[in-house]
Amino acid sequence: ETGVTQSPTHLIKTRGQQVTLRCSSQSGHNTVSWYQQALGQGPQFIFQYYREEENGRGNFPPRFSGLQFPNYSSELNVNALELDDSALYLCASSLAGGHSNTGELFFGEGSRLTVL
Amino acid sequence: AQKITQTQPGMFVQEKEAVTLDCTYDTSDPSYGLFWYKQPSSGEMIFLIYQGSYDQQNATEGRYSLNFQKARKSANLVISASQLGDSAMYFCAMREGPAGYALNFGKGTSLLVTP
Repeated sequence: ETGVTQSPTHLIKTRGQQVTLRCSSQSGHNTVSWYQQALGQGPQFIFQYYREEENGRGNFPPRFSGLQFPNYSSELNVNALELDDSALYLCASSLAGGHSNTGELFFGEGSRLTVL
Repeated sequence: AQKITQTQPGMFVQEKEAVTLDCTYDTSDPSYGLFWYKQPSSGEMIFLIYQGSYDQQNATEGRYSLNFQKARKSANLVISASQLGDSAMYFCAMREGPAGYALNFGKGTSLLVTP
């Protein structure tokens, strides 16, 4: 089965710019969630998409937005980039409403964003 | 307030020895799930083991076992017979509620396995 893939793997932006990160979910998974992992920290939940709708959101401002497409792939968009947005952005997929029998998420390798 | 606490920033263990990584959690929800993930330098989070709050027995997956002490709100990961490839960051995480979707992660423990 195809795992979670993310693109780009690395990118550099300047403050105030906008960025779009992409994620293809694991085959058969219909739910995608995004996490931000700052250096030396654990991942923090940004939001989750199920059936092309956002169905959960963490403590992130509205300039963090997303989309899910009919093929379950997803995008994370961040507007008006700030220096503190520099982080590893992880996409995770799962089946049906966010949970398998155990509820584990399957993660991609992430997109490392540097904001200068 | 921090929901997941991992008090060991770094740990060393010799190859073939067992190691315990500590995790305590805080929740008032009677239904929750606890997870451990491994993150190698590549960045990908790799699922290791899961424990549900109503599970009667401690979870085990190969060399990984979870020492679940509900009254103490701890969910320590035990890795037996450590291998060099076990060197990585290890994160404990919790999902609250039967319909919860977000995982709350701790800050992680860096494990180094030495020959």
